[in-house]
Amino acid sequence: EDQVTQSPEALRLQEGESSSLNCSYTVSGLRGLFWYRQDPGKGPEFLFTLYSAGEEKEKERLKATLTKKESFLHITAPKPEDSATYLCAFNTGRRALTFGSGTRLQVQP
Amino acid sequence: EAQVTQNPRYLITVTGKKLTVTCSQNMNHEYMSWYRQDPGLGLRQIYYSMNVEVTDKGDVPEGYKVSRKEKRNFPLILESPSPNQTSLYFCASSLGLAVNEQFFGPGTRLTVL
Repeated sequence: EDQVTQSPEALRLQEGESSSLNCSYTVSGLRGLFWYRQDPGKGPEFLFTLYSAGEEKEKERLKATLTKKESFLHITAPKPEDSATYLCAFNTGRRALTFGSGTRLQVQP
Repeated sequence: EAQVTQNPRYLITVTGKKLTVTCSQNMNHEYMSWYRQDPGLGLRQIYYSMNVEVTDKGDVPEGYKVSRKEKRNFPLILESPSPNQTSLYFCASSLGLAVNEQFFGPGTRLTVL
């Protein structure tokens, strides 16, 4: 059965303290690994798509990487406005995405 | 402004009283989908639609109906709501078959008593 697991469930950082969020998966026929950001009371917002092992994408303080078993979302020198829940998801060719439970990130000033 | 809108944003109802949550997008997207989000379970897909009059079940379709009579609208219907359908619901859309980069609505928080 295809599965995705995100860790940690929650992470508290000080402003400027870099860290990484993990998304590990067991998926047959992966057709993309995706990262979304969700702010409280809002719908998820698309961040990145990764298709093959070794691929990296960057956006401001965020960098997503992909291996054959997991994806990392690296946050460099985070700011309080980076506080949100970060969701990873995968596509196996069905007309749907399967989402992980998310990592709640809190960045304190 | 390109967006997905949902109404209502908050709804408290009672068991068995039929309700409809509307979803509309102004981006001319072919693909639309409904998800529910529950603590510890993440986002789970209820139904999706590839185009007008084309709908299919997602992972948790029981107790829900959808219709796609117009490209821009994709309402979610609960014919006889039950307390286990208390959840946060999101509508999403994407261009063509690009189900990856989905645009989500603001959510509807439903409570069934």
